[in-house]
Amino acid sequence: QVQLKESGPGLVQPSQTLSLTCTVSGFSLTSNSVHWVRQPPGKGLEWMGGIWGDGSTDYNSALKSRLSISRDTSKSQVFLKMNSLQTDDTAIYFCTMMVLITTFDYWGQGVMVTVSS
Amino acid sequence: DIQMTQSPASLSASLGETVTIECRASEDIYNGLAWYQQKPGKSPQLLIYNANSLHTGVPSRFSGSGSGTQYSLKINSLQSEDVASYFCQQYYDYPPYTFGAGTKLELK
Repeated sequence: QVQLKESGPGLVQPSQTLSLTCTVSGFSLTSNSVHWVRQPPGKGLEWMGGIWGDGSTDYNSALKSRLSISRDTSKSQVFLKMNSLQTDDTAIYFCTMMVLITTFDYWGQGVMVTVSS
Repeated sequence: DIQMTQSPASLSASLGETVTIECRASEDIYNGLAWYQQKPGKSPQLLIYNANSLHTGVPSRFSGSGSGTQYSLKINSLQSEDVASYFCQQYYDYPPYTFGAGTKLELK
């Protein structure tokens, strides 16, 4: 069955770079897109960006200058890197898979990232 | 970017009651709308797509409707397991995909 699992540091210092990994199983990264969505504590959802089956990427313009999404298909992994972190980047970070190009059909459990010194 | 305005922000209802959550888009999204349920401490789960199509395995007490810029999610005969936050999401015009701010549903 389809599974996604996020991993990465729980604590990042301000101005540093966040690196997260989404390890997937049950589907092919070359046939489906994987996206990152974040949720500040007690708040709503924000689409950050995604990588499509052909390897192209789309980003939220609000984050584009700081964000990079890539993948390693041989390891079934998708990566998020975001630099210049600030305290308002504290959030749960989810990776999620689209079967088509419309809805987020499968989600990981999320990883809580706190930005603090 | 298309803005999604969701209301109410919070809602308290009794078991067995019918509840309705609204979502308004800043422009016509031509039924390109999904609803998600997020239970406390869990990831969001897809409920409805194309404004009114029920995702596999979702109970039939959930339904979606609307068109143009106005959409709604209705829960008939509220159950205790429906306590959650609900989010709408538009996918008609992307990037970016955008979400409503959410509605927190509690039991009265």
